[in-house]
This record gives sequence, structure tokens and C-alpha cells, in this order.
Amino acid sequence: DAGVIQSPRHEVTEMGQEVTLRCKPISGHNSLFWYRQTMMRGLELLIYFNNNVPIDDSGMPEDRFSAKMPNASFSTLKIQPSEPRDSAVYFCASRGTGGPYEQFFGPGTRLTVL
Amino acid sequence: GNSVTQMEGPVTLSEEAFLTINCTYTATGYPSLFWYVQYPGEGLQLLLKATKADDKGSNKGFEATYRKETTSFHLEKGSVQVSDSAVYFCALSDQGNTPLVFGKGTRLSVIA
Repeated sequence: DAGVIQSPRHEVTEMGQEVTLRCKPISGHNSLFWYRQTMMRGLELLIYFNNNVPIDDSGMPEDRFSAKMPNASFSTLKIQPSEPRDSAVYFCASRGTGGPYEQFFGPGTRLTVL
Repeated sequence: GNSVTQMEGPVTLSEEAFLTINCTYTATGYPSLFWYVQYPGEGLQLLLKATKADDKGSNKGFEATYRKETTSFHLEKGSVQVSDSAVYFCALSDQGNTPLVFGKGTRLSVIA
């Protein structure tokens, strides 16, 4: 099993540009989670999907952030326009059905907005 | 609501020292409990888990016992190595369709 795949691994962009982060969950998993991690704020849940449907997006910081899951094997997190304070590591995680409900994390995308 | 509280770091130990990282939880039901580890530059990975009271999870020399009476799941290792330097997160899950609830993480540094 390849695990959760995220791309790109590193992204450097300039303020105002659009950024798209991508995630491929583990095959057969039905829940997907997007997190952001910074030194100041720690690990924050942004949004999660069950069966491709967004369930809770209350962690999305602003309207500049949006996430989609068009099918069971792909999700995107988009920031438009990006700002320097969006610089962070963004993690995707997935989870299957049945207990005990551990989540499997991808390697993360390190985003730097200049 | 559900919550996880773990000891604040950073924790600095010498190689071969004994490690304890405290974790307590608040939950309405009977949660499953987890410890995740994050090595520098990597994502979180599951270290161990326990699904019911008195269960002991273990992996790579680390252990944690699910204590319902004290609502705790403390992480222990008898002899730490430099390679154990990482951030450790305690987490719980009490429903299949909701996200894990994480503690804030404890940074461990082991020096030779």
C-alpha cells in the first residue's frame, strides 16, 4: 500500500497567487481530513469529508480557502489568493470504516508564501 | 466535549533515560486511544493504540495502558535513544465518523 500521497511536497509562491494542494487517500478509505500545522498554532483540523461529502469545514480560516473531493481517490485544498500567513505544513489524512478509527497521514506539503 | 491534555514540552533526556509523557482525556463514551509520533520533516504516524480499558498498546519499546479509572493513557519507554527525538501526540476517537481529537503534542529531545 502506497499510503496517503500528497503533492507537491514543497511549494513556494508569491503573495496573491493561487495555490492548489493535492491528496490521494489510501484506497478503500472513506474519510479524508485536511490539517494545517504551524509552530504558533500547532495542528489544526481544517475540513473533513465522509464518503466524498464535506462534513465540517469550521476550521477553514477564511473564504480564501476551499476544499473539494470530486471522487473517493482525490481531494484538493485551494488557497486563493495566498498570503504570507498561510505559510505552514498542510497534511492530508484518511481513515477507513470500522474501529478503532486511526487516521493515516500523508507526508505533508510545506507551503511558503513570500 | 471530548478533549485530550498532554504534558507540555519540551522534554530533554539523556540517552537510556526513562521516558514518561502524561496524557489524560475527557470523553462522553468509551473512546479508543492513540499515540502518534512525528519525526522531523515527516507526517504523523501511529505509534500505538488501545481500544478498551486496561488494554496495553506497545510498539518500538514504547508502551501505554488505557486507564479508565484515571482517564489516562501515559506513554512510557524504559530506555530512550537519540532516534526517539520527535513530537508525540496523544489522541482519542469515540465515534467512527468524527475526526480524532489530538493533544497539543510534546516535543522530546534525546541527547547522547
